[in-house]
Amino acid sequence: AQSVTQLGSHVSVSEGALVLLRCNYSSSVPPYLFWYVQYPNQGLQLLLKYTSAATLVKGINGFEAEFKKSETSFHLTKPSAHMSDAAEYFCAVSDLKWGTSYGKLTFGQGTILTVHP
Amino acid sequence: DGGITQSPKYLFRKEGQNVTLSCEQNLNHDAMYWYRQDPGQGLRLIYYSQIVNDFQKGDIAEGYSVSREKKESFPLTVTSAQKNPTAFYLCASSTPGTEQYFGPGTRLTVT
Repeated sequence: AQSVTQLGSHVSVSEGALVLLRCNYSSSVPPYLFWYVQYPNQGLQLLLKYTSAATLVKGINGFEAEFKKSETSFHLTKPSAHMSDAAEYFCAVSDLKWGTSYGKLTFGQGTILTVHP
Repeated sequence: DGGITQSPKYLFRKEGQNVTLSCEQNLNHDAMYWYRQDPGQGLRLIYYSQIVNDFQKGDIAEGYSVSREKKESFPLTVTSAQKNPTAFYLCASSTPGTEQYFGPGTRLTVT
């Protein structure tokens, strides 16, 4: 069975500060990992994905994440927060072989990011 | 533009009534999914379908039903047997080699 733990249900930063959202996973097979963002009352939008290529993954809106197998982590970072980054962020894991099957995703509980002026 | 449409955006029903949520995609994806979202619990998989006329239960299928008669459409019915139906419902679709794409969601309130 696979699982995802997001440390911190709420994170608050000042505009211009570093954003760090933590995600740890558990998977019995090599994982495929995703970060999604959700704005209020909207669907989810993919930020970035790790599919066993480079361990440092760059996504949209200046976000990036690093896959660390030894720590079973996939933390999301952004060097400088913007007011428009305020949203809820979800980490997800899929244990199906990328590219050959359909991914059933297991999601973390989500982290709400607040950005203060 | 390709995408996923969910309608309506907000839905209100009385307890004891069945209600059907619509999900349509024009991305030509084979697989479609339904998730339920509750505050602080992330997304939980209700049902998924990888091909027309076939679907499988997810983690929380009790009290829900689906059909997949067309590739583009995957409606979800919330039955009166679902004990806590009030939630935000999200539909998604995918094809091998891609991530899941999500619709805008339907917020269902049952009183």
